[in-house]
Amino acid sequence: AQKITQTQPGMFVQEKEAVTLDCTYDTSDQSYGLFWYKQPSSGEMIFLIYQGSYDEQNATEGRYSLNFQKARKSANLVISASQLGDSAMYFCAMREAFHGNQFYFGTGTSLTVIP
Amino acid sequence: SQTIHQWPATLVQPVGSPLSLECTVEGTSNPNLYWYRQAAGRGLQLLFYSVGIGQISSEVPQNLSASRPQDRQFILSSKKLLLSDSGFYLCAWSRDIQYFGAGTRLSVL
Repeated sequence: AQKITQTQPGMFVQEKEAVTLDCTYDTSDQSYGLFWYKQPSSGEMIFLIYQGSYDEQNATEGRYSLNFQKARKSANLVISASQLGDSAMYFCAMREAFHGNQFYFGTGTSLTVIP
Repeated sequence: SQTIHQWPATLVQPVGSPLSLECTVEGTSNPNLYWYRQAAGRGLQLLFYSVGIGQISSEVPQNLSASRPQDRQFILSSKKLLLSDSGFYLCAWSRDIQYFGAGTRLSVL
């Protein structure tokens, strides 16, 4: 089974609108971390936001927030007030605390911000 | 602060030639180190990771090898490149959060 599933290959959003990128995960560990990365056309992977499995509050970093629903095993990324520079690939990832040092990545979502 | 350096940024190599990509990390000690490959428009494929000097875990049988001769240095190598080795190679380090280098675009012709 896939550890991380991103079901949206491509998304479009109007500039200044909010957008939600979906991510579901699969783990039997109680302790794990969830991450989102942005990959612009230059190729560099940029860390955006982190959520620990024991964190009760949803993580926020500026215009990025992580909608963490533990029972549903989902960790959706919400980008508020979209900007043209947000156009990029977005990857969801997970690290299981007790199963080594690997990070599992989803297949990514391509976001295009329309002016 | 920690930084990760990866070079070269772009590389064009003929089939059958050797490969050496280098990655170094500054500002931290004993990091976990990783090599990923990304085909065009695809996700990340973990190739190797290392938890310490001389300790390499290989995730995918292939034409590549990795070495960690120093604590903060991670090298990806091949003795003879194949066409299928073309792609975007990313080095990363982690403690809790994983941080990536700028990547190397390898074209094997």
